[in-house]
Amino acid sequence: SQQGEEDPQALSIQEGENATMNCSYKTSINNLQWYRQNSGRGLVHLILIRSNEREKHSGRLRVTLDTSKKSSSLLITASRAADTASYFCATDQGSNYKLTFGKGTLLTVNP
Amino acid sequence: GAVVSQHPSWVICKSGTSVKIECRSLDFQATTMFWYRQFPKQSLMLMATSNEGSKATYEQGVEKDKFLINHASLTLSTLTVTSAHPEDSSFYICSARSAHRLYEQYFGPGTRLTVT
Repeated sequence: SQQGEEDPQALSIQEGENATMNCSYKTSINNLQWYRQNSGRGLVHLILIRSNEREKHSGRLRVTLDTSKKSSSLLITASRAADTASYFCATDQGSNYKLTFGKGTLLTVNP
Repeated sequence: GAVVSQHPSWVICKSGTSVKIECRSLDFQATTMFWYRQFPKQSLMLMATSNEGSKATYEQGVEKDKFLINHASLTLSTLTVTSAHPEDSSFYICSARSAHRLYEQYFGPGTRLTVT
């Protein structure tokens, strides 16, 4: 079963705008990660945030984690057309660190 | 570093035949490899976890006799789709991780399987 649920399912914005995607999950986690997938391609790891962290930055990416609400958000600032892709959150739980993926958000950045 | 390759990148086969997909870790030893499938416009679903030298652990609902997984070395795992049917058409993605960083999985580029 899917652990993570992203919203929105699809997001369309103009270049230069910020994009925010949210992810919710159901059980306690070790880490939460965000991945990007261009159409028909493999996954690109974006950022990992540990359960004891609340916020993390990487370039134009900002991730927050609220373990009390079991939710995370990914903010992409100053978006570019090249950011057009599907974005997935993935959580790992327990000692085996298996990843469970959310349903993803399809982001379209219009030039 | 941490590159994972898959071969082939795409394959078309006839219904009833078997197809083998390879997943290789190119620059690290992968004690564990994972196999996922992804239907169009959907998320990744974990099919099975394979540890080097031992039998794969399959997720609920995944037929182990249909999806044969072998992880014979620390750099290679294979997924064989046996007696493929059109409903097996999907995007298959593998990932690999080392024993030192359990929370990091490195993903292959995926294999598009089309069964006609």
